[in-house]
Amino acid sequence: EAQVTQNPRYLITVTGKKLTVTCSQNMNHEYMSWYRQDPGLGLRQIYYSMNVEVTDKGDVPEGYKVSRKEKRNFPLILESPSPNQTSLYFCASSLNGEGEQYFGPGTRLTVT
Amino acid sequence: RKEVEQDPGPFNVPEGATVAFNCTYSNSASQSFFWYRQDCRKEPKLLMSVYSSGNEDGRFTAQLNRASQYISLLIRDSKLSDSATYLCVVKGGGYQKVTFGTGTKLQVIP
Repeated sequence: EAQVTQNPRYLITVTGKKLTVTCSQNMNHEYMSWYRQDPGLGLRQIYYSMNVEVTDKGDVPEGYKVSRKEKRNFPLILESPSPNQTSLYFCASSLNGEGEQYFGPGTRLTVT
Repeated sequence: RKEVEQDPGPFNVPEGATVAFNCTYSNSASQSFFWYRQDCRKEPKLLMSVYSSGNEDGRFTAQLNRASQYISLLIRDSKLSDSATYLCVVKGGGYQKVTFGTGTKLQVIP
């Protein structure tokens, strides 16, 4: 089954404790992206990647890192999480960045 | 001004009604336009792409007006299952920037 998977689905952590949210797609898509969704603000793009070893900042990259060492994986790293990073995070992929994006199920992160 | 703006609603409509949503965008260089549907606490899913000539998919019709910089979504014969949040998505520029609207919530009432 073609899909985008994210782990973990739910995470509660404390300020400053490094964490990684994994994202994997099995559709051989070149384009992958991370979004955060907050009430009243909608989905905002954090980082995106056009291909392996190519990443670019979106609208809200501060406090986040990403890597794209393999085509299928695009982990999101929070080196020192803060409470304002409490949010619902979605990973997405598309064939070449032009058409439909397929979203993962989301990761609900709470930073206390 | 926000890059992509939508009326947040909620739009409460009876079953069988026709409802229309608009979405305005500020970047005249935008190239691709989409409507996504998002059910509560779930991931967004593509409803339809929006083409310059307008396009229809069953009860759903999407239109693009480049001169006025807005896109629209028309839903005819609303069903209870249409209740969701509808997200307008605009993409453009050489660096593949994607911008989502904040969404319009639709509630179809029996």
